[in-house]
Amino acid sequence: AQSVTQLGSHVSVSEGALVLLRCNYSSSVPPYLFWYVQYPNQGLQLLLKYTSAATLVKGINGFEAEFKKSETSFHLTKPSAHMSDAAEYFCAVSDGGFKTIFGAGTRLFVKA
Amino acid sequence: DADVTQTPRNRITKTGKRIMLECSQTKGHDRMYWYRQDPGLGLQLIYYSFDVKDINKGEISDGYSVSRQAQAKFSLSLESAIPNQTALYFCATSDSTDASGYTFGSGTRLTVV
Repeated sequence: AQSVTQLGSHVSVSEGALVLLRCNYSSSVPPYLFWYVQYPNQGLQLLLKYTSAATLVKGINGFEAEFKKSETSFHLTKPSAHMSDAAEYFCAVSDGGFKTIFGAGTRLFVKA
Repeated sequence: DADVTQTPRNRITKTGKRIMLECSQTKGHDRMYWYRQDPGLGLQLIYYSFDVKDINKGEISDGYSVSRQAQAKFSLSLESAIPNQTALYFCATSDSTDASGYTFGSGTRLTVV
């Protein structure tokens, strides 16, 4: 069975500071891993994905994530936060054959 | 036009009423999904369909039904709405392997009073 855990329902950073959103997963098969972003009053938008190619994945808006099999982690980072990054972020895992499991989400606040 | 279109965007309905939420996609994907989002609970899967003839219950299907009218259309019905079905509902679509991720609609905010 697959599962995904996002550590921290809320994260607050200052503008210009490093953004780190944590995600740990479990999967019995090599997983596909995703990060989605949801802005207020909008649907979820794919930020980046890992599908067994390079372990460091770059996405839109300067975000990246690193797949670490030994730690079963797929943390999302951005070197310098911008006010426009304030949103809710969801980590997700899929085995490619059945369905995707979503984490509970982490809301990112960016302080001026 | 959006890849996944949901209608209506907002709806207020009374307890006991039947309501249908509609979803259409232009991605040409076979897989479609309905999710419910509540604050702090992430997304919960209501129903999913891997093709027109394949419909499956998700983790919270009680009180809901679906219809896959065509590859591009997947509607969700609440036969007799109740207040705890007040939530944000999302439709999504994916390719046959899920490797490309999901494409979501903009959501329907449903309030049952």
